[in-house]
Amino acid sequence: AQTVTQSQPEMSVQEAETVTLSCTYDTSESNYYLFWYKQPPSRQMILVIRQEAYKQQNATENRFSVNFQKAAKSFSLKISDSQLGDTAMYFCACRVYSGGSNYKLTFGKGTLLTVNP
Amino acid sequence: NAGVTQTPKFRILKIGQSMTLQCTQDMNHNYMYWYRQDPGMGLKLIYYSVGAGITDKGEVPNGYNVSRSTTEDFPLRLELAAPSQTSVYFCASSYDRENEQYFGPGTRLTVT
Repeated sequence: AQTVTQSQPEMSVQEAETVTLSCTYDTSESNYYLFWYKQPPSRQMILVIRQEAYKQQNATENRFSVNFQKAAKSFSLKISDSQLGDTAMYFCACRVYSGGSNYKLTFGKGTLLTVNP
Repeated sequence: NAGVTQTPKFRILKIGQSMTLQCTQDMNHNYMYWYRQDPGMGLKLIYYSVGAGITDKGEVPNGYNVSRSTTEDFPLRLELAAPSQTSVYFCASSYDRENEQYFGPGTRLTVT
């Protein structure tokens, strides 16, 4: 079974500063994908960034970047120049598909990020 | 494109009642998914479908049924509702297993 652990239930950051959200995962599969999703108060789940496990280069999407440490099974999210609109619950997720009906998508419990003005 | 739409947005059920949560996507996606999100938790996969006529169980399928007769629609059926099914339900779709999942706005269900 795979697990995803987010050890920070809540975090806060001042507007324009940088914040890093932590995530560790565990899976026995060699082919997997990692994601960060954002869930604002509207409840809509929005994909922030994704990382294929076979890629060594860390993914980047504008102000969002990840630090993917495959050996340590760590997948942290860095948000630069934080904006008020970044206030949301952030979920780390691991997706594994090894063929047939073996589809597994596991989410962490989330980190509530508050950006203060 | 409307994306992924879900109805209803809110529903209160009595124990033992049944209902169907509707999900429709207009992006011609092959894959569709149903998740539940309990308070303070991440999403858990209930069922998924890789195309019309093909469905499979996720992590927490007990108490639910699905069907996929068309590419667009993926309804989730709750039979004999129980308080443990109180949750927020999300439908999602993706073009294939590699691509991004697009989520609907969710249905908040309370069983009392």
